[in-house]
Amino acid sequence: DAKTTQPPSMDCAEGRAANLPCNHSTISGNEYVYWYRQIHSQGPQYIIHGLKNNETNEMASLIITEDRKSSTLILPHATLRDTAVYYCIVRGRNKLVFGAGTILRVKS
Amino acid sequence: SAVISQKPSRDICQRGTSLTIQCQVDSQVTMMFWYRQQPGQSLTLIATANQGSEATYESGFVIDKFPISRPNLTFSTLTVSNMSPEDSSIYLCSVGGLGANYGYTFGSGTRLTVV
Repeated sequence: DAKTTQPPSMDCAEGRAANLPCNHSTISGNEYVYWYRQIHSQGPQYIIHGLKNNETNEMASLIITEDRKSSTLILPHATLRDTAVYYCIVRGRNKLVFGAGTILRVKS
Repeated sequence: SAVISQKPSRDICQRGTSLTIQCQVDSQVTMMFWYRQQPGQSLTLIATANQGSEATYESGFVIDKFPISRPNLTFSTLTVSNMSPEDSSIYLCSVGGLGANYGYTFGSGTRLTVV
């Protein structure tokens, strides 16, 4: 599975969009990009995933560059409850391998 | 998505003893996994629990220390054997389907403290 690189931490003002970047320059053609988040003391929560097209659901949007070497998770209107560790994972085989993730702090 | 019940939610154990953690899913699932999350760290995959056969362990994890059972498509157990304080972690069960286009669901975890 391809390795991902994320900034260790980010801050975002409440009500603003949070844009979390992820670099996955070694991704191969059949590998999906997954995003999970983990709020303190809870199990990871699935957010969204995609292969090459941009994806949107009720939680977030996922923007994948045309060369698929990077992606951005967008939380359109961040709230204090979105404070969590966000993990970007490239999955090719049938398992998820977690990196260090990005600590997102949403501040009022 | 599947609903996972993981038991116990937390425990405090004496060193040298063993603890068995249960993962029960409300529907049949193809893939089941066990993770460890040490304090302040990310999740590390321990093994894939295979139904009807031996689990597949990741590098650094061995069956003698972390025996895993998976008797059917809805249930698995992880045992942490001969515990030491270094085993103090959150242990999480995860389930999902085959293929890279399926998301995985995680249980709420078992918080283990070894004293």
